Amino acid sequence: GQQLNQSPQSMFIQEGEDVSMNCTSSSIFNTWLWYKQDPGEGPVLLIALYKAGELTSNGRLTAQFGITRKDSFLNISASIPSDVGIYFCAGAMYSGGGADGLTFGKGTHLILQP
Amino acid sequence: NAGVTQTPKFQVLKTGQSMTLQCAQDMNHNSMYWYRQDPGMGLRLIYYSASEGTTDKGEVPNGYNVSRLNKREFSLRLESAAPSQTSVYFCASIRVAGDIPPDTQYFGPGTRLTVL
Repeated sequence: GQQLNQSPQSMFIQEGEDVSMNCTSSSIFNTWLWYKQDPGEGPVLLIALYKAGELTSNGRLTAQFGITRKDSFLNISASIPSDVGIYFCAGAMYSGGGADGLTFGKGTHLILQP
Repeated sequence: NAGVTQTPKFQVLKTGQSMTLQCAQDMNHNSMYWYRQDPGMGLRLIYYSASEGTTDKGEVPNGYNVSRLNKREFSLRLESAAPSQTSVYFCASIRVAGDIPPDTQYFGPGTRLTVL
């Protein structure tokens, strides 16, 4: 099946610093999504991208849909303690009449620097 | 509007026991999905139902069956539970998929299943 490589696997953050993570795929997608998951909860959508080259922001979060359609990145600016959690990228190839599920990366754990 | 609901929240089974995980959505969504989440593995698709009356296998369907009972409800059944099925199970739904940018998938809170 399709593989998504998400990196980094984990990172320590200090309040106020910027954070970047990315996702690459072995095949193309026409939709990229970024989710955040808090402990004991289901994933919550942060940003959705539907066109190659698209750059979309949601508050301090910015994500881009790569031109090749095989990659995407997420930036978080001026991180705050509540940014801690697991971030997942997900890709989908939607077509007319088809509602296939999402392919997920393995997640990036953001941990607050003690 | 409760979104996507799942029952039970927690379950412990013995090897060989059967059980059904329930999922319901009140957003009038067409498509519904079951995922499992294991440590270090992200979420993997088990089965999905593109529309009422249809179901299809995902990436990891072995050991599971599903039923799309109606537009609102999509259940996942383990006929003979195995320790390898210890996981967190998430149900998700989406309004419609097609050529237009699709709506996004909404997830339930999850069912934490342990098989001894």
